Amino acid sequence: GENVEQHPSTLSVQEGDSAVIKCTYSDSASNYFPWYKQELGKRPQLIIDIRSNVGEKKDQRIAVTLNKTAKHFSLHITETQPEDSAVYFCAASKAGNQFYFGTGTSLTVIP
Amino acid sequence: DAGITQSPRHKVTETGTPVTLRCHQTENHRYMYWYRQDPGHGLRLIHYSYGVKDTDKGEVSDGYSVSRSKTEDFLLTLESATSSQTSVYFCAISEGQRGNQPQHFGDGTRLSIL
Repeated sequence: GENVEQHPSTLSVQEGDSAVIKCTYSDSASNYFPWYKQELGKRPQLIIDIRSNVGEKKDQRIAVTLNKTAKHFSLHITETQPEDSAVYFCAASKAGNQFYFGTGTSLTVIP
Repeated sequence: DAGITQSPRHKVTETGTPVTLRCHQTENHRYMYWYRQDPGHGLRLIHYSYGVKDTDKGEVSDGYSVSRSKTEDFLLTLESATSSQTSVYFCAISEGQRGNQPQHFGDGTRLSIL
């Protein structure tokens, strides 16, 4: 099956700086890559997703990039704010198959 | 937020007892999923359903069973709970084809087995 690796496991940044979280996947047939944000004690919430037919997608301060050749995708958060502090999960999937999640990155934004 | 309700939200029980967790959706989505979340493991799929009475196993299905008698309800049962099943359990739903559409999660059930 698919194997998704996520790095780093913890990340601390100063408020206003950028944060980057990277994921790699093993199955070249995977074609859908969502990112979830989970605040402490809350549900994972979808924040952005990308499909394999595009290389980059942006939504205000967050963006996701995908490199199909290298089989990795990254979440970029610019101008970080304290409310961005949370655990972020990446996932990879393909039609007719299950989602495989990374092990999460705990992001702390220091005011 | 997606209309997903999990019950109970918290439960403490003893080893060997049966436990049933309920997931209820108001979105009329076809696909429903049960995950467990443990430190260092992220979210792992236990079972999923692709319609009434249609279910299949995920990567960590041993010790769990599921049932879906109505579109809106998906039950997860631990027939004889063990301490290794202490975890946070999340239900998720998706509208379209499995693996190709975003999943939306419920608030979770924190289950402790003593």
